[in-house]
Amino acid sequence: QQQVKQSPQSLIVQKGGISIINCAYENTAFDYFPWYQQFPGKGPALLIAIRPDVSEKKEGRFTISFNKSAKQFSLHIMDSQPGDSATYFCAAASNDYKLSFGAGTTVTVRA
Amino acid sequence: DGGITQSPKYLFRKEGQNVTLSCEQNLNHDAMYWYRQDPGQGLRLIYYSQIVNDFQKGDIAEGYSVSREKKESFPLTVTSAQKNPTAFYLCASSISTGTRNTGELFFGEGSRLTVL
Repeated sequence: QQQVKQSPQSLIVQKGGISIINCAYENTAFDYFPWYQQFPGKGPALLIAIRPDVSEKKEGRFTISFNKSAKQFSLHIMDSQPGDSATYFCAAASNDYKLSFGAGTTVTVRA
Repeated sequence: DGGITQSPKYLFRKEGQNVTLSCEQNLNHDAMYWYRQDPGQGLRLIYYSQIVNDFQKGDIAEGYSVSREKKESFPLTVTSAQKNPTAFYLCASSISTGTRNTGELFFGEGSRLTVL
């Protein structure tokens, strides 16, 4: 049973548009929420991360929004570019070294 | 360059055979992990190790075995007991900061295992 639920499974966005990926969790022991980006045939790489004491974190065109009371967090990709086409995974970590991943969202940006 | 090296990149195995996937890191990280990736299921933790000569089962350890004899090496053996071994296997490492998991994993490029 997945501890982090991620949606949608895939999305298509036009160049310059906004991509939004949502994740939800139940385990209140989670206190660190990273997002990973994976290109085909490669391993995932850390994109951006947030802790629950912050409601939003922005790095360039990527923004995480965090709602602690709802136990939800989301990734927004602003001004989406074809190079952003990849699979994105949300994840959650507590202090037991076991990072739980969502199922992944495949983002396709059309030029 | 520092990083994680997985080999082989592609591997074919006949049913009933054991196979070992290699993972080497030169990042001087304490913790190492093995994940399995299947379409639509994300990444699932097989085994992890926080220090040399110690490792713990993850969520799907059945049919797999590991060893951690050196800090830089964490090989994974897929045994014949694993019922559905065809998958993409990812090795990762992280800086171990005491008992805190920062969530910052550094991944290798993966090994794709196909059982014929």
